[in-house]
Amino acid sequence: DGGITQSPKYLFRKEGQNVTLSCEQNLNHDAMYWYRQDPGQGLRLIYYSQIVNDFQKGDIAEGYSVSREKKESFPLTVTSAQKNPTAFYLCASSIARQVNTEAFFGQGTRLTVV
Amino acid sequence: AQKITQTQPGMFVQEKEAVTLDCTYDTSDQSYGLFWYKQPSSGEMIFLIYQGSYDEQNATEGRYSLNFQKARKSANLVISASQLGDSAMYFCAMREGLKSSASKIIFGSGTRLSIRP
Repeated sequence: DGGITQSPKYLFRKEGQNVTLSCEQNLNHDAMYWYRQDPGQGLRLIYYSQIVNDFQKGDIAEGYSVSREKKESFPLTVTSAQKNPTAFYLCASSIARQVNTEAFFGQGTRLTVV
Repeated sequence: AQKITQTQPGMFVQEKEAVTLDCTYDTSDQSYGLFWYKQPSSGEMIFLIYQGSYDEQNATEGRYSLNFQKARKSANLVISASQLGDSAMYFCAMREGLKSSASKIIFGSGTRLSIRP
């Protein structure tokens, strides 16, 4: 079945450590996205990528980094520079450059930094 | 600048009643798409309905319809005959057509809908 897989579902890290969240899709989509969601809040765009080896900052990119070496994969690294990393992280993908296509989402990773 | 505004943080509705969730947007692009998603407590994001900026008719999908008023830049979601399973967070989203190569998708802050039995 086609879809988006995020792993792990729950992640715990100590303050000051970098952590990488995985996102893999087999929908053959060119565009991929990372969003952050705080409790009771909306989705804020961290980074997005329209094609392999290219990505753009979203509204809250500070303290995060990404790579897009393969079409299927778009890992997100939460660095120690991110001041409040505890949040729910959602990865999504879509057909690129078509305004009438929706984004498909993974199940999310809940990151807790202690 | 591209922006989505949802002004209703929470709503309570009696089962079987219709409910309207508000969404206004701001864009200077002529070509754009508007989307509504449902997020149950599990956290998954469920796509509900889409409206294109050039669509002349309001979109409908089963019990969901979109009240699109282009001049007012609003795209309200209407849920008819609400059910207990409709209790969830609802997000409005927008994708611009020409700017950012039609790939950037932004979301509003959401509305938490609670259905009373």
